[in-house]
Amino acid sequence: EAQVTQNPRYLITVTGKKLTVTCSQNMNHEYMSWYRQDPGLGLRQIYYSMNVEVTDKGDVPEGYKVSRKEKRNFPLILESPSPNQTSLYFCASSLLGTGNTEAFFGQGTRLTVV
Amino acid sequence: KNEVEQSPQNLTAQEGEFITINCSYSVGISALHWLQQHPGGGIVSLFMLSSGKKKHGRLIATINIQEKHSSLHITASHPRDSAVYICAVRDPGAGSYQLTFGKGTKLSVIP
Repeated sequence: EAQVTQNPRYLITVTGKKLTVTCSQNMNHEYMSWYRQDPGLGLRQIYYSMNVEVTDKGDVPEGYKVSRKEKRNFPLILESPSPNQTSLYFCASSLLGTGNTEAFFGQGTRLTVV
Repeated sequence: KNEVEQSPQNLTAQEGEFITINCSYSVGISALHWLQQHPGGGIVSLFMLSSGKKKHGRLIATINIQEKHSSLHITASHPRDSAVYICAVRDPGAGSYQLTFGKGTKLSVIP
């Protein structure tokens, strides 16, 4: 089954404690992206990757890091989480092409930073 | 950068009603996506369209490129249709894969 898998689904952590949210896709997609979703603001892009070792900032990259060492995995790293990073996070992937390609989303990770 | 507006923000309907959710965007696009998000759940792609109309079961999506407008229709609505519906657009041009999202429409269908 084609899917994007995020882990964990729920996470409560304390300010300053480094954490990683994993994202994996089994569709051999080149393009992967991380979004955060906040009430009243909708989905905003954090980082994206066009292929292995190719990453770039989205609209709200501050406080986040990513890596793309393998095509299937795109982890999101919070080196020193702060309460303003409490949010619902989504990973997504799609094929590269003309831009007219379907996007697949993970189930989401609800992060609370206290 | 595209600006995406959805209306209404919130919608309550009686079971069986015909529902329309609207999406407008500000500049040309290569594709428009309709997404569904159930409470506590992930995001599922319902439709991707660049012209015309698509139908899947009770759901119909239309797009008018000249008007920069798309609609999502739900016929014979059911309580299981209760969810947030999100419109997202891709900017045109080869190599453009960024999505710009609307803020979503929260639909509640009452039995």
